[in-house]
Amino acid sequence: AQTVTQSQPEMSVQEAETVTLSCTYDTSESDYYLFWYKQPPSRQMILVIRQEAYKQQNATENRFSVNFQKAAKSFSLKISDSQLGDAAMYFCAYANAGNNRKLIWGLGTSLAVNP
Amino acid sequence: NAGVMQNPRHLVRRRGQEARLRCSPVKGHSHVYWYRQLPEEGLKFMVYLQKENIIDESGMPKERFSAEFPKEGPSILRIQQVVRGDSAAYFCASSPAANYGYTFGSGTRLTVV
Repeated sequence: AQTVTQSQPEMSVQEAETVTLSCTYDTSESDYYLFWYKQPPSRQMILVIRQEAYKQQNATENRFSVNFQKAAKSFSLKISDSQLGDAAMYFCAYANAGNNRKLIWGLGTSLAVNP
Repeated sequence: NAGVMQNPRHLVRRRGQEARLRCSPVKGHSHVYWYRQLPEEGLKFMVYLQKENIIDESGMPKERFSAEFPKEGPSILRIQQVVRGDSAAYFCASSPAANYGYTFGSGTRLTVV
């Protein structure tokens, strides 16, 4: 069975600085998808970034980028120029390619941004 | 272009009552997923449905929980005879057939008193 591990329950960063959130996963599949979701206090689950396993290039969305290391089964999220609005819970998630695309979730990292 | 609509946003039930949670997917999305988030924990998969079919219910408790996604109308997650341990946030997500563009609802927070 697939698992997702986020080893940092809490992180903090100074405004305008850069922070990296860690995620590792375990799977025997070769084709899959990885995601980072943000959950602010409003509870809405917001997609931050998505990575297809077959793509070697790391995904980037504005200030958010990932370091995808397929062999190491590592998928870290880098947030550059951190803003107060980035404060939230961040969840790493995995989904198999194929017909059943349920998401397997990590336990989350609570990110605080200090002014 | 409405997103996933979940209602109610908050639901309070006494022990032993039934809870019915509704999820209207994005128009055109035929895949619906339900997840549960217990306090201070991550999300756990419960059930995956396509129109009129349950595809994967491996995350659903064997008793008291059921889900449906009828041909017409919203997907329903039903919890019978609720207990305190059912208190959680329940999220619904939908996606179209062809890609991994999940859209999440804002969740229903169930409190059992």
